[in-house]
Amino acid sequence: GIQVEQSPPDLILQEGANSTLRCNFSDSVNNLQWFHQNPWGQLINLFYIPSGTKQNGRLSATTVATERYSLLYISSSQTTDSGVYFCAVERYGGSQGNLIFGKGTKLSVKP
Amino acid sequence: EAGVVQSPRYKIIEKKQPVAFWCNPISGHNTLYWYRQNLGQGPELLIRYENEEAVDDSQLPKDRFSAERLKGVDSTLKIQPAELGDSAVYLCASSSYDKEEQFFGPGTRLTVL
Repeated sequence: GIQVEQSPPDLILQEGANSTLRCNFSDSVNNLQWFHQNPWGQLINLFYIPSGTKQNGRLSATTVATERYSLLYISSSQTTDSGVYFCAVERYGGSQGNLIFGKGTKLSVKP
Repeated sequence: EAGVVQSPRYKIIEKKQPVAFWCNPISGHNTLYWYRQNLGQGPELLIRYENEEAVDDSQLPKDRFSAERLKGVDSTLKIQPAELGDSAVYLCASSSYDKEEQFFGPGTRLTVL
């Protein structure tokens, strides 16, 4: 099956710093989503981005489908950004709707 | 617009007991998913429904797990009997027929003692 690798696994930032999270995947995809899982366990949709670039406030994401990776940028980080960031993909031609998740990047933002 | 609703939020049971989880998807979403998330891992799909039909249940352990979505709206996932290894967070998600983006509920944290 498709492999999804996220890096780094852990990241500690000082409030106000910028960061880049990476997601590599091993096959073509027709769905890619970034989620933030907050400390209470809720998965919050950040981006639906199978290709291209999107921005939402301090967050932006870029997916280069031909090179099989996606990047999530967090600028001017805040303590509320803490949590686990997941990348999830649906393999092109695979079981429809079966999102395969990476292991996540655990982000801690210190005041 | 209300999000995906799940209940209960937490459940603690003894092993060999039955347990059930309930999910109500976003209004108008015809596709409903159940995922299981083990500690420190990403969620993994258990079953996917298109309206009331289970179209992918290949990852559902059918010896003890069952699910239903009788009227194509809300859904119930059941475990009987529960085992220690079933301790996890059970997440429900939904999507609309014309968009692939999935939206998740808050989950049910199950602890089996």
